[in-house]
Amino acid sequence: AQTVTQSQPEMSVQEAETVTLSCTYDTSESDYYLFWYKQPPSRQMILVIRQEAYKQQNATENRFSVNFQKAAKSFSLKISDSQLGDAAMYFCASPPGRSNTGKLIFGQGTTLQVKP
Amino acid sequence: EPEVTQTPSHQVTQMGQEVILRCVPISNHLYFYWYRQILGQKVEFLVSFYNNEISEKSEIFDDQFSVERPDGSNFTLKIRSTKLEDSAMYFCASYRGLNEQYFGPGTRLTVT
Repeated sequence: AQTVTQSQPEMSVQEAETVTLSCTYDTSESDYYLFWYKQPPSRQMILVIRQEAYKQQNATENRFSVNFQKAAKSFSLKISDSQLGDAAMYFCASPPGRSNTGKLIFGQGTTLQVKP
Repeated sequence: EPEVTQTPSHQVTQMGQEVILRCVPISNHLYFYWYRQILGQKVEFLVSFYNNEISEKSEIFDDQFSVERPDGSNFTLKIRSTKLEDSAMYFCASYRGLNEQYFGPGTRLTVT
């Protein structure tokens, strides 16, 4: 079964610094997508960034970027110039391999604290 | 920007009661989902819905659960006889097929 693992339950970063959140996944597929979602205290799920597995170039969205290592099945999220508003729970997610229903499998989440 | 909406935002119910959680997906989306998140835990897939029928469901989605799209806009999740362990945040999501799911704000269900 497809699994997504986030091994860091909690991380903290100083405001304006950079932090990296880790994610590993397991799939037998060669073509798939990976996502990072942010969940602030309101508990709304907000898409931060997505990566297409067949693209070698790492995705970037403003201060957010990924380090995608396909062979290692690793998909980490880097947040640069951290802001207080970045404090939230972050979930890594991927659709499972042969499923054509598009359902997402989520990791356990990493709680990010941003210190002023 | 179009968005997924959910009502109510918070539902309190007594054990054994039936609840219906409502969602309005984005209008041109074709796939619809319900996920559940017990407080402090990860988000778990419950069910996916496509072409007016369930396309996949998880082990969590037992006979107590049902989904329906009664008209062209609403997508509902019904829990027939709620248990204490059904207390969770329930998210509706919709998907157009471009590998980006849009999540609603969630309904917090509290079973007492």
